[in-house]
Amino acid sequence: GIQVEQSPPDLILQEGANSTLRCNFSDSVNNLQWFHQNPWGQLINLFYIPSGTKQNGRLSATTVATERYSLLYISSSQTTDSGVYFCAGMNRDDKIIFGKGTRLHILP
Amino acid sequence: DTAVSQTPKYLVTQMGNDKSIKCEQNLGHDTMYWYKQDSKKFLKIMFSYNNKELIINETVPNRFSPKSPDKAHLNLHINSLELGDSAVYFCASSQVFGGTEAFFGQGTRLTVV
Repeated sequence: GIQVEQSPPDLILQEGANSTLRCNFSDSVNNLQWFHQNPWGQLINLFYIPSGTKQNGRLSATTVATERYSLLYISSSQTTDSGVYFCAGMNRDDKIIFGKGTRLHILP
Repeated sequence: DTAVSQTPKYLVTQMGNDKSIKCEQNLGHDTMYWYKQDSKKFLKIMFSYNNKELIINETVPNRFSPKSPDKAHLNLHINSLELGDSAVYFCASSQVFGGTEAFFGQGTRLTVV
């Protein structure tokens, strides 16, 4: 089945730093999404981005479907950005497949 | 208004018991899902329903039985709970099957003792 790989697996940054999280997928996926799981366990939708680029405040995302990757950019990190970031895509069997996540810890 | 809501948020129970988790979505979506998140935070699909019909049934023990009384609700019943069932269970919905953005509930943390 399709593999969704996220990198880096862990990231520790100082408040104010910028970061780029990457998601590679082994086969074509549809409906790529980025989620933030906060320290309370909630899965928060960040972007629905099958292709192209979107921005929302300090966050932006780019998906290049033909090259099977997506990037999530976080600028001017804040401690509230800490948590796990997941990308997920839908495979040919219409299952939403998640990556293993990037654990981000922002230090004050 | 919460788009996808699950109850209860926490559930602690003894081995061998039977328990249910309820999920409701008020988004008017046709498709609903159950996901399991293990201790390593890995999220894996368990079931998917489209308009009350079972579409996806992953390799899940038959002690787990989903029930969809209408397209706004997808409940998960678990029989004879085992220690290994301890996890966080997420319900989700999307507008149509095979497309569009999925929205997740807040999760139910199940602990089997």
